[in-house]
Amino acid sequence: GQSLEQPSEVTAVEGAIVQINCTYQTSGFYGLSWYQQHDGGAPTFLSYNALDGLEETGRFSSFLSRSDSYGYLLLQELQMKDSASYFCAVRDSNYQLIWGAGTKLIIKP
Amino acid sequence: GAVVSQHPSRVICKSGTSVKIECRSLDFQATTMFWYRQFPKKSLMLMATSNEGSKATYEQGVEKDKFLINHASLTLSTLTVTSAHPEDSSFYICSARASEGNTIYFGEGSWLTVV
Repeated sequence: GQSLEQPSEVTAVEGAIVQINCTYQTSGFYGLSWYQQHDGGAPTFLSYNALDGLEETGRFSSFLSRSDSYGYLLLQELQMKDSASYFCAVRDSNYQLIWGAGTKLIIKP
Repeated sequence: GAVVSQHPSRVICKSGTSVKIECRSLDFQATTMFWYRQFPKKSLMLMATSNEGSKATYEQGVEKDKFLINHASLTLSTLTVTSAHPEDSSFYICSARASEGNTIYFGEGSWLTVV
């Protein structure tokens, strides 16, 4: 079966750096995406990796290793507003998004 | 940027009635739209994939007669929850894939409460 695994919860302090990992097992791979979802809202797109390496967008970076079926989202200079759930998703051979269960990021002052 | 609009954002309906949720791509054509459901504190669950002009493809376990999906045009897909029950209360999200390029855009989501 197809699956993505990511930690259910991560806790960090304001101003710190946190990494959220995602491992996947899917039929076909057309990129790894990351989404942020605040309680009560729809997911918002953060980043997309189709090739190996690091993609940087401001305080957020995303990494992909296709040989390891692994990626991570790196959040730097954490702010309280970053408290949210973060989902990784892989586009499979049918171009559908297969979602991870989400990682709840808790930020403490 | 590309926008996908869902309407209504929140709806309350009585048990046994039907409710329709619209998903529109406002400034692009979407050949494919996806409908998701999300239970509290859970990940998104793909319900069905709809392609313009053809029948939707439902995921295993999703009742197609209960969740009617219509994708009549390149900018509009609708999800109708028929004979709604309280257990249908959930957050429903659509996403659309642009005809040009492969980017997928999400709607804002619709909260359905069945009382």
